Amino acid sequence: DSGVTQTPKHLITATGQRVTLRCSPRSGDLSVYWYQQSLDQGLQFLIQYYNGEERAKGNILERFSAQQFPDLHSELNLSSLELGDSALYFCASSVDSGLSGELFFGEGSRLTVL
Amino acid sequence: GDSVVQTEGQVLPSEGDSLIVNCSYETTQYPSLFWYVQYPGEGPQLHLKAMKANDKGRNKGFEAMYRKETTSFHLEKDSVQESDSAVYFCALENTGNQFYFGTGTSLTVIP
Repeated sequence: DSGVTQTPKHLITATGQRVTLRCSPRSGDLSVYWYQQSLDQGLQFLIQYYNGEERAKGNILERFSAQQFPDLHSELNLSSLELGDSALYFCASSVDSGLSGELFFGEGSRLTVL
Repeated sequence: GDSVVQTEGQVLPSEGDSLIVNCSYETTQYPSLFWYVQYPGEGPQLHLKAMKANDKGRNKGFEAMYRKETTSFHLEKDSVQESDSAVYFCALENTGNQFYFGTGTSLTVIP
């Protein structure tokens, strides 16, 4: 158990819809990262938050947005969903003090868009 | 920008074979380097790490040497076991605390 909690574990929805994925980081971790894992695509970095502020953006589509709340949990919002958005979405957290040395991943949210 | 390139696709050694999974990185900074492992149905987890040049990460018989001169961090093991089967990701963390991952190498050890 990494200490990172993601909900829901599975989600099935239709094209054009909007979903929200939720992540609670490990206790004490200030940084939250979102990654997308598609078949044969590895881990694509989407976005990073640190203590409520956006720190870095990766290959995140304009249809996607995220935020980190004062209690440090984070949400990833995916809108106008397309078939190609079907993937595993991972949240990870880290202490983020200097070179922290490790990301702790949740078990992922599997999104299926039909 | 920062990036990581590793052996692509699937590797299919037999039990007892030696293993090398290549990893090369590109960055203008002084990164930490990692290998993460992902088992079916789980998120990736740290397998081993090296925080600076010439450090060697070790775990469960696997080793990787941080080589700054060749910008490499190859994962090696003398004798693989069936239980080593998983997907392995090479990654770097730059001084901005951003993590970049390779595309993953699926290791399937044939018993």
